[in-house]
Amino acid sequence: DAGVIQSPRHEVTEMGQEVTLRCKPISGHNSLFWYRQTMMRGLELLIYFNNNVPIDDSGMPEDRFSAKMPNASFSTLKIQPSEPRDSAVYFCASSFDPRQPQHFGDGTRLSIL
Amino acid sequence: GENVEQHPSTLSVQEGDSAVIKCTYSDSASNYFPWYKQELGKRPQLIIDIRSNVGEKKDQRIAVTLNKTAKHFSLHITETQPEDSAVYFCAASINSGSARQLTFGSGTQLTVLP
Repeated sequence: DAGVIQSPRHEVTEMGQEVTLRCKPISGHNSLFWYRQTMMRGLELLIYFNNNVPIDDSGMPEDRFSAKMPNASFSTLKIQPSEPRDSAVYFCASSFDPRQPQHFGDGTRLSIL
Repeated sequence: GENVEQHPSTLSVQEGDSAVIKCTYSDSASNYFPWYKQELGKRPQLIIDIRSNVGEKKDQRIAVTLNKTAKHFSLHITETQPEDSAVYFCAASINSGSARQLTFGSGTQLTVLP
């Protein structure tokens, strides 16, 4: 089992640019979660999907953030336009079903200059 | 919504001693409490979890206790080793049926001194 796969591992870009983070959940998992981790705010849930459908996006900070899950094996988190305060580690996690433990990917370390 | 508080924020113990990390939660409907270990620069990894119908769970040197009345739960690590050094996060969630939303504590940096 390859685990949750995220790409890129690191991203450095200038403010104003569009950033796309990618996630491949564990095969067979039908729940997918996007988290953001910062020193100040800790681990925050941004959005989660169940069977490819967004269930709750109340954690998405503002309209500059959007997430999609076009199929069971792929999800994206997009920031447009990016700002320095978006700098953080973004984690994707998946679970077999809503009641099972969540397994995290290795994260994307995002730096907006 | 749910609020999870975690204490202490940092904890140093001598190798071989025990470590205890405590969390409290606000929503009495929460029914699932996982603990994650995160080493520097790595992903959070689930180390143990407990559901609200159980008061205690053990896995080798790690145990978790849950007091539903007081709404708090604790992680106990016995015979600590240097490789236990990491940030530990507690979390609480309600199984709403559609998905389990985890609310995380702020983390405890555990340092095991050789």
